[in-house]
Amino acid sequence: DTGVSQDPRHKITKRGQNVTFRCDPISEHNRLYWYRQTLGQGPEFLTYFQNEAQLEKSRLLSDRFSAERPKGSFSTLEIQRTEQGDSAMYLCASSLEHEAFFGQGTRLTVV
Amino acid sequence: QKEVEQNSGPLSVPEGAIASLNCTYSDRGSQSFFWYRQYSGKSPELIMFIYSNGDKEDGRFTAQLNKASQYVSLLIRDSQPSDSATYLCAVDSGGSYIPTFGRGTSLIVHP
Repeated sequence: DTGVSQDPRHKITKRGQNVTFRCDPISEHNRLYWYRQTLGQGPEFLTYFQNEAQLEKSRLLSDRFSAERPKGSFSTLEIQRTEQGDSAMYLCASSLEHEAFFGQGTRLTVV
Repeated sequence: QKEVEQNSGPLSVPEGAIASLNCTYSDRGSQSFFWYRQYSGKSPELIMFIYSNGDKEDGRFTAQLNKASQYVSLLIRDSQPSDSATYLCAVDSGGSYIPTFGRGTSLIVHP
């Protein structure tokens, strides 16, 4: 399968714990995005990388969230000191030009 | 603030009918327009993209773009129950390469 891959698919964590998600984009894609989606809403932009450079980060994004893309390949999204409001589907997408393709997502539940 | 507006629905159509899904956007500089289909509990799947004014057809799907009116639509001909899903409109301003999503329209195709 040469699509976007995310790991884990599901994560349940206790409030206050740190979590890290991984995204492996389509191999030739230089652009990588993280979005968050809650029930009944569209995907909400979190951050964007072109190669290894983080070019854009949502102003709504708390400083508890950090993302990296070392060497311009896979990316990680870390959430520190999780809160119940962080419960959502975290989606990664990648693109070569304008068309972005999504992974399966990581569903986070904070209890 | 770039906004993408969609009626949340649900839009209910009988099997075999044409489903018409609409989207408006606020950023006049937008250059790329996308339609994604999202089944419940799954991630968004890119089904159409359009960059120029007019119509673009792909099988049963037709995307229509009117930049003067800041309006993009998706027509689904010969609707099938398997088309029942949420349809997300996404817009990017070209320079940013970051798609902004609407909240989606729920489509129900009943037999």
